[in-house]
Amino acid sequence: GAGVSQSPSNKVTEKGKDVELRCDPISGHTALYWYRQSLGQGLEFLIYFQGNSAPDKSGLPSDRFSAERTGGSVSTLTIQRTQQEDSAVYLCASSYLGPGANVLTFGAGSRLTVL
Amino acid sequence: KQEVTQIPAALSVPEGENLVLNCSFTDSAIYNLQWFRQDPGKGLTSLLLIQSSQREQTSGRLNASLDKSSGRSTLYIAASQPGDSATYLCAGETGANNLFFGTGTRLTVIP
Repeated sequence: GAGVSQSPSNKVTEKGKDVELRCDPISGHTALYWYRQSLGQGLEFLIYFQGNSAPDKSGLPSDRFSAERTGGSVSTLTIQRTQQEDSAVYLCASSYLGPGANVLTFGAGSRLTVL
Repeated sequence: KQEVTQIPAALSVPEGENLVLNCSFTDSAIYNLQWFRQDPGKGLTSLLLIQSSQREQTSGRLNASLDKSSGRSTLYIAASQPGDSATYLCAGETGANNLFFGTGTRLTVIP
């Protein structure tokens, strides 16, 4: 596609429910990133994919968070048993890791509100 | 762990003024440095990228510089316009395909 697409754009859920956030990167981009932006905070790195594998999962806050990527394209971030502190904007970015520097293109984000 | 500080947190200027946004890193071993713009409710838009072999980049009214020895970067905006109002974020890449972001500077340009 022309840009990075994320869905849903907004999600309101009750504490304890599971949620899935989807990211559709730019076609041909091999790298995919998930970040979290909480109110008044900087962007917090969650996980990075190169193709379908995740060399760096160091940012996932707990075992309630997981992510997968299939076909080197779409990625899903799953949060199980959501807590109020999970409320944030979840941003996805993709890039083409070529000979040049790693320029990320971001999606508009998925705003998650846990009641 | 790399920590990024942006000063000021918020800035309000009259239209037409030149301004400087600051960014500093605790670990000066930065591979690349990027400046992004974020509008309310939107994702991030990359503005300028300074690669490891460079010291500055310019795009229109924007100029970004990087001093690796001190772990500092500045974003200079000339002749500011109301459309420049947004949050500006700097991010450093430390060679592990991960960007460390600052908390941003919220800029308001008053017509």
